[in-house]
Order: sequence, then structure tokens, then C-alpha cells
Amino acid sequence: DGGITQSPKYLFRKEGQNVTLSCEQNLNHDAMYWYRQDPGQGLRLIYYSQIVNDFQKGDIAEGYSVSREKKESFPLTVTSAQKNPTAFYLCASRSLDPGWNEQYFGPGTRLTVT
Amino acid sequence: AQSVTQPDIHITVSEGASLELRCNYSYGATPYLFWYVQSPGQGLQLLLKYFSGDTLVQGIKGFEAEFKRSQSSFNLRKPSVHWSDAAEYFCAVGASGNTPLVFGKGTRLSVIA
Repeated sequence: DGGITQSPKYLFRKEGQNVTLSCEQNLNHDAMYWYRQDPGQGLRLIYYSQIVNDFQKGDIAEGYSVSREKKESFPLTVTSAQKNPTAFYLCASRSLDPGWNEQYFGPGTRLTVT
Repeated sequence: AQSVTQPDIHITVSEGASLELRCNYSYGATPYLFWYVQSPGQGLQLLLKYFSGDTLVQGIKGFEAEFKRSQSSFNLRKPSVHWSDAAEYFCAVGASGNTPLVFGKGTRLSVIA
């Protein structure tokens, strides 16, 4: 089955610890995205990448970091600098073939920091 | 830059009643428009999309949406709501090129018997 996997589904961390969220896709998509979702806030873009070894900041990149060493993988690290890390995190991917293509989403990871 | 407004935070409808969820966008050129649905604790699933052509687009699960350029709107409709339609609905707009989608804040739909 082609799709996007995010692991784990639930993640708990103590304040002050960095944590890395996994995102893997086997859709052969060029672009990958990380969104943060909070109640009533919709989806806010954290980082995105359109090609291996390159990525751009989204609207709320502070306190987060990413890497794109492989086309299939786009892990997100939530650092201790992120003031309010507890949220639902969604990974997405999209083909950049000519024309416009929709974004496909993973099932999400719920991060709780106490 | 493009933006999306979903004026209704929460809507409650009776099962079997019709539904319309509003979406207004801001973008200077012809936008690419999408509606996604999200069940609690899940990812987003695409309902339908508009790129060009016929302004009334059909999607999955019996949903449709109409693009109205004069009103900068892309409202989602369903003639008869089922209890399983209870979820959160997001409208999104894409600009030309490879820029990421911009999402509205969502509308939560509750369905009562």
C-alpha cells in the first residue's frame, strides 16, 4: 500500500528534552511538509522540503528543525526551545509533476510534553 | 499571499438535513481549491478539488462544492447528512507553482439524530 506513515502515534516527553517525529512516504513524492494542529487554529506550516537536502521554513519554524537526507523521509525534531510543543503534528507529501497535485497526509503524531 | 476564511467554527445539523460549509479565499489569480475532512485523531482526507473548468465539482461521500469567482467562495455542500459525516472540515487554497497549501481554521460538524 502506498502512503505516508508517522510514528509513533502518541509521544510523551519531559520538558527540556528534544524529540524527533518520524515521517516516511512511499509515494515517490518530491515535496514533504510538516504541520502543527492546535484546537481552533487549523493547520500551521512548520517546514517543507521540495528536494533532498533542501528545506524551507514555514510560518512557525521557531523551535523546530528538520532534515531531508532521503526522498522518502522527512523527520521533524521538536527542540527544547519550542515554548508550547504539545500539539498534534501532521506530515504531508505532494508530487511536483506538472499541473497541480493535492497533498496527502499521514495519520499524525500527538505529542504531549509535561 | 493567499488566505482562507472559514466563517463557521462549529455547525450542528440533523441527520438527513442538507449541509453547506462556507469557505472564502483571498488570492489574486485563479486559485487551486481543496476541501479536506478529518476525523478525530486522524490525518486529513481529500474530499474534492477544483483546478479549472466546471465550477461545480463532485467529490467523495456525496459531497460537492461550487467555485464562485465573483464571491471568492468555494462552499461545500451535501444534500443529506449522515451521522458518519461528523468531523472537522478544512478548506485550502494553493497558488501557482509549488507553494504549500494554505488552510482555513476548519469547521467542526456535529450531526444529531
